Amino acid sequence: EAGVVQSPRYKIIEKKQPVAFWCNPISGHNTLYWYLQNLGQGPELLIRYENEEAVDDSQLPKDRFSAERLKGVDSTLKIQPAELGDSAVYLCASSLRPEELFFGEGSRLTVL
Amino acid sequence: AQSVTQLDSQVPVFEEAPVELRCNYSSSVSVYLFWYVQYPNQGLQLLLKYLSGSTLVKGINGFEAEFNKSQTSFHLRKPSVHISDTAEYFCAVSVTGGSQGNLIFGKGTKLSVKP
Repeated sequence: EAGVVQSPRYKIIEKKQPVAFWCNPISGHNTLYWYLQNLGQGPELLIRYENEEAVDDSQLPKDRFSAERLKGVDSTLKIQPAELGDSAVYLCASSLRPEELFFGEGSRLTVL
Repeated sequence: AQSVTQLDSQVPVFEEAPVELRCNYSSSVSVYLFWYVQYPNQGLQLLLKYLSGSTLVKGINGFEAEFNKSQTSFHLRKPSVHISDTAEYFCAVSVTGGSQGNLIFGKGTKLSVKP
């Protein structure tokens, strides 16, 4: 069974440019999460979806970040415009049960 | 609100020695507890979890952890480590109702196993 797939794995952009990350969860997993992992820190939740509905986006900086999960399967996280402080790893996870999350390998963003 | 404190940012240990990675949490409600491992340039993999029942939990790769409610701790242990255990380990909590699955992570402990 395929795991959570994320792309791109690495992205380098200049500040003020837009960037998008894509996540394909494990088949059948209704719940999808985006986490932000800064260097030397643990992951922090950005947004959680139940099917196509964002049920918790309280930590998502809505001035520059947006996310969507059309059709309740794969999801896209966008940053526009990117700032230097957005350099981090963006992790996607999915779950069938809330007590067991499966994480993708992450998308590492470097903003110059 | 919940919080997690991992008491050691780095733990160096020799191969075949025992290791303990410490985790304390703070919460006013019941929580589930987890340990995840992250190998370089990879995502997080679940090692073990405590949901209820026996306070001693066994996970993959020979790891185990003990939930201590009175001390609000969930320390991870392995009796004999291998070079391949070199990785970063994250302790996490989630509430038992409502926002289940919204994990709150500690800052991580880097385990370095030396030959």
